[in-house]
Amino acid sequence: DIQMTQSPSTLSASVGDRVTITCRASQNIDTWLAWYQQKPGKAPKLLIYKASTLKSGVPSRFSGSGSGTEFTLIISSLQPDDFATYYCQQYNSYSGAFGQGTKVEIK
Amino acid sequence: QLQLKESGPGLVKPSETLSLACNVSGGPFISSGYYWGWIRQPPGKGLEWIGSIYYLGSTYYNPSLKSRVTVSVDTSRSQISLRLSSVTAADTAIYYCARRFRTDPFDFWGQGTLVTVSS
Repeated sequence: DIQMTQSPSTLSASVGDRVTITCRASQNIDTWLAWYQQKPGKAPKLLIYKASTLKSGVPSRFSGSGSGTEFTLIISSLQPDDFATYYCQQYNSYSGAFGQGTKVEIK
Repeated sequence: QLQLKESGPGLVKPSETLSLACNVSGGPFISSGYYWGWIRQPPGKGLEWIGSIYYLGSTYYNPSLKSRVTVSVDTSRSQISLRLSSVTAADTAIYYCARRFRTDPFDFWGQGTLVTVSS
């Protein structure tokens, strides 16, 4: 099984900060990596797929990078609407393990 | 606009079988490349992929749940079903259905339904 590990688990930041979240895969997944945002009581929302492709309608302050086993989600200037929990997911072949999540809190 | 809606009992007794349905509306259900999946989230915890099914019926399961899970599709009713047997309190979670297209990840999600396992 492919395991996904995110860090940090929690992140405290202020509006305007640059935020970086890391995701590591236990084996090579090429660029089959997605990032989701989830707010309390809501279903996850797809932000980025293929490691770096922004889904249509997602603000450009979100960006993703990486390949193989190391991936990064960057929020260039944190906005009030961005305080949420973020998950990475590998979707290599037909499976889809998620990372444990990173909660972005208000500092 | 595509909509997915989960339904089923909110309370299941330990050792019994959890059964949920996901109804799809507002968009194509039978289409080459569409996969439908189930994901769950225990209260206050992270997401866990349960399994996926191709519209023609091929299934793919999380190895940790494979012995207890069955995902099926009813194309006549535009519905995906989940059955999870021998449940315990650890299976208490919000259960989501979602769609993925070919090599893309899950892009449409239902609102989720909470299932509690308790006697």
